Amino acid sequence: AQSVAQPEDQVNVAEGNPLTVKCTYSVSGNPYLFWYVQYPNRGLQFLLKYITGDNLVKGSYGFEAEFNKSQTSFHLKKPSALVSDSALYFCAVRITGANNLFFGTGTRLTVIP
Amino acid sequence: EAQVTQNPRYLITVTGKKLTVTCSQNMNHEYMSWYRQDPGLGLRQIYYSMNVEVTDKGDVPEGYKVSRKEKRNFPLILESPSPNQTSLYFCASSLHGQGGYEQYFGPGTRLTVT
Repeated sequence: AQSVAQPEDQVNVAEGNPLTVKCTYSVSGNPYLFWYVQYPNRGLQFLLKYITGDNLVKGSYGFEAEFNKSQTSFHLKKPSALVSDSALYFCAVRITGANNLFFGTGTRLTVIP
Repeated sequence: EAQVTQNPRYLITVTGKKLTVTCSQNMNHEYMSWYRQDPGLGLRQIYYSMNVEVTDKGDVPEGYKVSRKEKRNFPLILESPSPNQTSLYFCASSLHGQGGYEQYFGPGTRLTVT
């Protein structure tokens, strides 16, 4: 069975500081991992994904994520947070050959000016 | 502009009154899916479609129906809505249903069933 955990419902960070939004996964095969962002009253937008290869993945708006197979984690990071990064972030996983994409419960990021 | 559209964006209805939420994509994607988003539960998949005339249940299909007669459209049907179907619904599409293809989401439909 596949599952995704986002252990923090809420993350607060000061503007200009680095941010991390955590994601761990549990799958029975090789995972494809995704991060999405949801701004108020909007649909989800794709940020970045890990398929294979380099464990450090770079995406939109200066975000990056590191795939760690031994810790089964895919944490989202950004070196310097902006107030406009405040949003709801979702991690998602799909295993090779599967049709479904499983989402975490989301982490609300608030960047404090 | 490449996009997924949903209609209506907001809907208030009463228990038992059949309704349809439309979803359309203009990217020639094979795969389409419906999700519901509830506080504390994240997104849960209702139904998905790998291609025209191919649909399958997701995690929470009870009380919902779908059809995929054309590649671009994937309507969600609630034959007899109940208050526990009050939620925010998202349609999504991707080029293919398997592998590392990201999904593109519609703007959402907020449904209230009284």
